Amino acid sequence: QQPVQSPQAVILREGEDAVINCSSSKALYSVHWYRQKHGEAPVFLMILLKGGEQKGHEKISASFNEKKQQSSLYLTASQLSYSGTYFCGPQLTTDSWGKLQFGAGTQVVVTP
Amino acid sequence: DVKVTQSSRYLVKRTGEKVFLECVQDMDHENMFWYRQDPGLGLRLIYFSYDVKMKEKGDIPEGYSVSREKKERFSLILESASTNQTSMYLCASSLLAGGLNEQFFGPGTRLTVL
Repeated sequence: QQPVQSPQAVILREGEDAVINCSSSKALYSVHWYRQKHGEAPVFLMILLKGGEQKGHEKISASFNEKKQQSSLYLTASQLSYSGTYFCGPQLTTDSWGKLQFGAGTQVVVTP
Repeated sequence: DVKVTQSSRYLVKRTGEKVFLECVQDMDHENMFWYRQDPGLGLRLIYFSYDVKMKEKGDIPEGYSVSREKKERFSLILESASTNQTSMYLCASSLLAGGLNEQFFGPGTRLTVL
């Protein structure tokens, strides 16, 4: 039931781009994205609703394709501050309480 | 700023002990959540509460119970701690029920059961 995130880890040099994918086997109502830096609490990045919308946070953007039950997070021109573990948290259409099914996370390391 | 606090950052308990993890939020949020975080498994929902005295099981409720007597406080209880409950426990809260509200996380409690 947990969504599948890929890749599990990625190493980038400053300025490079990366894409993190999140796939679910169930119909989705929304997708949350969070970032957790080492030793800290996860922090909210953005919510995407069905409709294929894209959103942005700094130079981090995301898309949501509800037909494919997938969301992607785009790290553009990465900065050292982007290092951390990124989690997607889809909400299923069958859930009305706002429960999220978090993925296992993607560890991102940005090097100088 | 929303603040979610957890009673302990680190906790060491013995097998069979009853363990209480406390979480407090200061922004009048309706929803509160308890997650367990393990390497390679991400965040897994144990229990959540959408109102005082109301609770719903998450994906891994076995071995845990919860209590919410006041809106701002949500407690996770390990009735008889076991070594496989050694983990990082994260509490979170969100303003309203439904999936359109971001979750605010506490700093976590790293529990070790010996």
